[in-house]
Amino acid sequence: QVQLVQSGSELKKPGASVKVSCKASGYTFTNYAMTWVRQAPGQGLEWMGWINTNTGNPTYAQGFTGRFVFSLDTSVSTAYLQISSLKAEDTAVYYCARGHPGIAGKYSFDYWGQGTLVTVSS
Amino acid sequence: EIVLTQSPATLSLSPGERATLSCRASQSVSSYLAWYQQKPGQAPRLLIYDASNRATGIPARFSGSGSGTDFTLVISSLEPEDFAVYYCQQRSNWPLTFGPGTKVDVK
Repeated sequence: QVQLVQSGSELKKPGASVKVSCKASGYTFTNYAMTWVRQAPGQGLEWMGWINTNTGNPTYAQGFTGRFVFSLDTSVSTAYLQISSLKAEDTAVYYCARGHPGIAGKYSFDYWGQGTLVTVSS
Repeated sequence: EIVLTQSPATLSLSPGERATLSCRASQSVSSYLAWYQQKPGQAPRLLIYDASNRATGIPARFSGSGSGTDFTLVISSLEPEDFAVYYCQQRSNWPLTFGPGTKVDVK
């Protein structure tokens, strides 16, 4: 069965960096895009962008450029989200989600990781 | 950016009742609209994609309809496990966007 398993919760100080992992299993990793979605405490869902798991090419939504980096290690079927220069407003649950087959970069999301809570506090 | 508006914000119903949720887009998204269910402390779950297609394993009591700018998710008879927040999402244009959600709670 398809599973996306994310790394555990993180507590970071402002200015630090964090790297969240998302390990996929149960399907061919490079056949499906991976996307990232943010959910601030008590808020809705916000699409951060996606990464082409064949080419490694990332696309970032506005507001997620510069400090946010998507990457892959296809040898272990894992996607990563790195956030640098953390701010208090980055406190959120970050989800990876598999792109349901469709037009490149324009997906619905058929499987989700369990989410990783990143807390930024001094 | 396509803005999705969901109504009502909260829907208070009893088990066994019919739930009708609305999602309106600021411009046409054709049929490229999905619905998700999210329970507290859990990841969202895909219910409906491309307006009317049930995702794998989704019960038949969930149905979606609409095209263009107006979409509806119907839960024909609420089960106890259906009380949750429901989000719509469009994949017609970048950036992909979500609606603010409709909370279905117990009356």
